[in-house]
Amino acid sequence: DGGITQSPKYLFRKEGQNVTLSCEQNLNHDAMYWYRQDPGQGLRLIYYSQIVNDFQKGDIAEGYSVSREKKESFPLTVTSAQKNPTAFYLCASSTQGTGPGEQYFGPGTRLTVT
Amino acid sequence: GEDVEQSLFLSVREGDSSVINCTYTDSSSTYLYWYKQEPGAGLQLLTYIFSNMDMKQDQRLTVLLNKKDKHLSLRIADTQTGDSAIYFCAESISDYKLSFGAGTTVTVRA
Repeated sequence: DGGITQSPKYLFRKEGQNVTLSCEQNLNHDAMYWYRQDPGQGLRLIYYSQIVNDFQKGDIAEGYSVSREKKESFPLTVTSAQKNPTAFYLCASSTQGTGPGEQYFGPGTRLTVT
Repeated sequence: GEDVEQSLFLSVREGDSSVINCTYTDSSSTYLYWYKQEPGAGLQLLTYIFSNMDMKQDQRLTVLLNKKDKHLSLRIADTQTGDSAIYFCAESISDYKLSFGAGTTVTVRA
């Protein structure tokens, strides 16, 4: 089955630690995205990548880092510099930009930092 | 500017129609989208409309676009319990960026 997997579903970390969230897709999509979702707010774009070895900052990139070494993988690292890291993180991919090419979403990772 | 607004909650009786409204600000948006999110899950694209259209129908879903007022609505006919979810409106603001509303939580009551 084609799709996007994110692991783990729930993640707990102590304040001050970096943590890496996994996102893998087997849809052969060129573009991949990371969003953050907070209660009562829309999705906010953290980083996106149009193609392997290239990525751009989204609206809230501070305190986050990404890499895109392989087409199917786009891991997100939440660093200790992120002031409020507890949130639901969603990864997505698409065949092209935001035309009719649909963004496919993974099931999300809920990160709790205490 | 980039700002998408939606009402936060909607309660509807099973079998009735649901109408979810959205306003957006970027008049250059090419596509407008409706996504559905079930509890604890990712988003699923329900439908989209190109900005030169004013209506799109897909089975129980009807999208209306008033470009002059920058108003988008999603009507769900014969609402079922499985339609209970959060519905997000989104506009394309560049080739690779979408701006999402805060989401409307739809509760279907028996």
